[in-house]
Amino acid sequence: EVQLVESGGGLVKPGGSLRLSCAASGFTFSSYSMNWVRQAPGKGLEWVSSISSSSSYIYYADSVKGRFTISRDNAKNSLYLQMNSLRAEDTAVYYCARVGVFLGIDYWGQGTLVTVSS
Amino acid sequence: DIVMTQTPLSLSVTPGQPASISCKSSQSLLHSDGKTYLYWYLQKPGQPPQLLIYEVSNRFSGVPDRFSGSGSGTDFTLKISRVEAEDVGVYYCMQSIQLPWTFGQGTKVEIK
Repeated sequence: EVQLVESGGGLVKPGGSLRLSCAASGFTFSSYSMNWVRQAPGKGLEWVSSISSSSSYIYYADSVKGRFTISRDNAKNSLYLQMNSLRAEDTAVYYCARVGVFLGIDYWGQGTLVTVSS
Repeated sequence: DIVMTQTPLSLSVTPGQPASISCKSSQSLLHSDGKTYLYWYLQKPGQPPQLLIYEVSNRFSGVPDRFSGSGSGTDFTLKISRVEAEDVGVYYCMQSIQLPWTFGQGTKVEIK
């Protein structure tokens, strides 16, 4: 069974930093691209970042480019999102999501809440 | 960016009745490889999204056959043949032909 478990969310002040982690299990993590997708409270879904299986290709939404860094450790079956210079508008539940063989997201984690507030 | 527009934004359905959600993209989602990168997700209350349909019309593993997807190019539809109580939630379409991947605004489905 595919499992994605996020951690690292919490309350942070504007301008602060946070590192999210996603522990993957139930599949060969090193064979799949992974994404981060976020959802602001009461709002829709927003793609944040994507990383290929070997980290060769990395992409970001314009809204986070230059502030967020996606990475992975295939030996640890883990995905990360380093978030710097956080803003109030970054407040959201952040989902770790697997990219399936058909190039869409097939599995999602339960999400971790990031709140940026003074 | 490709804009995904869903209609309606909310739907109230009697159990056992059909429901239909439209999703239109601002650009064609047909790739040169012949595939169309359009997906449907359901986010039940308090849960993460779950995949229902991939590449327009393919049901994901475990998805009941009352869910079906159709369409081509820029116009797509998700149909539920007979709505059940467990189908409540917000439905999203998503495109992955071009970065950034984008989602529709969501359609909230409620039971009458």
